[in-house]
Amino acid sequence: NAGVTQTPKFQVLKTGQSMTLQCAQDMNHEYMSWYRQDPGMGLRLIHYSVGAGITDQGEVPNGYNVSRSTTEDFPLRLLSAAPSQTSVYFCASSYRGPRGAGEKLFFGSGTQLSVL
Amino acid sequence: GDSVTQMEGPVTLSEEAFLTINCTYTATGYPSLFWYVQYPGEGLQLLLKATKADDKGSNKGFEATYRKETTSFHLEKGSVQVSDSAVYFCALSDPRAGNNRKLIWGLGTSLAVNP
Repeated sequence: NAGVTQTPKFQVLKTGQSMTLQCAQDMNHEYMSWYRQDPGMGLRLIHYSVGAGITDQGEVPNGYNVSRSTTEDFPLRLLSAAPSQTSVYFCASSYRGPRGAGEKLFFGSGTQLSVL
Repeated sequence: GDSVTQMEGPVTLSEEAFLTINCTYTATGYPSLFWYVQYPGEGLQLLLKATKADDKGSNKGFEATYRKETTSFHLEKGSVQVSDSAVYFCALSDPRAGNNRKLIWGLGTSLAVNP
């Protein structure tokens, strides 16, 4: 019962470095998304995908890239890390239900990223 | 635009106390409403949901009723346990958004239950 798997769990970067946060799900979910969680800000959507080959921006996409080449994987790339990107990042997925939006989201356990 | 407002925490209770976490929302249309819970060091998980007015969602002793007249979805539990210590998030989604699943999140309410 792997569910949504995120790696790494912790990462420290220097300003300007790039890296990829990995996310994989084994539930054959069409929808996948990335959130960041910051104190006092709640959860903010970075990017999302409704299927392989389809991605779109959320509310805070700047500085991040995504791609969805397979149903299972949805990596998040930081192009040039900045201290403002210090946060906890969560990947989430869900299936398409009859009501469309609002079906149950399954979250990974998060990646804690510090940018110095 | 749509929004969710939760009561600020932290909330500290003794074991077996009654819990209420307030959540109100603003939305045009008829959103679905959710409570998610985040235990320490973990990702969020769905606790309960309601998809139309007067629906009651329930799970693990927690309940919340979708009140359209007061635009509220307050979370309640009659007797909390230490294991309920977590952060609770209220959220809504607009069915008109189709399959995009853009949930609107509250800021979260931290609950600490003391033995």
